[in-house]
Amino acid sequence: GAVVSQHPSRVICKSGTSVKIECRSLDFQATTMFWYRQFPKQSLMLMATSNEGSKATYEQGVEKDKFLINHASLTLSTLTVTSAHPEDSSFYICSARGGEYQETQYFGPGTRLLVL
Amino acid sequence: SQQGEEDPQALSIQEGENATMNCSYKTSINNLQWYRQNSGRGLVHLILIRSNEREKHSGRLRVTLDTSKKSSSLLITASRAADTASYFCATDAGGDSNYQLIWGAGTKLIIKP
Repeated sequence: GAVVSQHPSRVICKSGTSVKIECRSLDFQATTMFWYRQFPKQSLMLMATSNEGSKATYEQGVEKDKFLINHASLTLSTLTVTSAHPEDSSFYICSARGGEYQETQYFGPGTRLLVL
Repeated sequence: SQQGEEDPQALSIQEGENATMNCSYKTSINNLQWYRQNSGRGLVHLILIRSNEREKHSGRLRVTLDTSKKSSSLLITASRAADTASYFCATDAGGDSNYQLIWGAGTKLIIKP
């Protein structure tokens, strides 16, 4: 149980385009989903926390208009990187908690974004 | 956001040896969790220890928690090449934190065959 998928696993795009990343909880209802960014050889940096049906709570320094998060259902959250620039290139990871999996976070496999 | 510090930053040992990683944190916690991340992948939850627990075992993993020192250790016994990964501790402060986890910087563990 507690499987989280993330799609796509890898994306290359041109500067100025928008990229959408999907995060799905496959076998449980995710009350809360988290979006992280991870730079090489560093720890996770929390970008935002989203609860199903409400607006995401962004961490300080994270532009909400740049990183649009939608958590419209209990099994799906999306992160859209709008007007991507090379500095947005990174590894983006989602995690989810909910149902019987309240205290731990279950992670997707991550999305490697490269903006040219 | 990070409040945890882990040491060592990197650890390289021979297969079969035991590996110990330490984690310190700053605020009171509801629980502390350890995760593993293989290179370029998502994180995998290993073990959770609550603030009222002192030690917990899971297979070859042994976690201790000392709330008076605000520290935890993860011991991997009889290490295997497949244990090569980065290990992160994360703390849950409970309360109104919305189950956010505060992450340590991680320990990169290399098991040499």
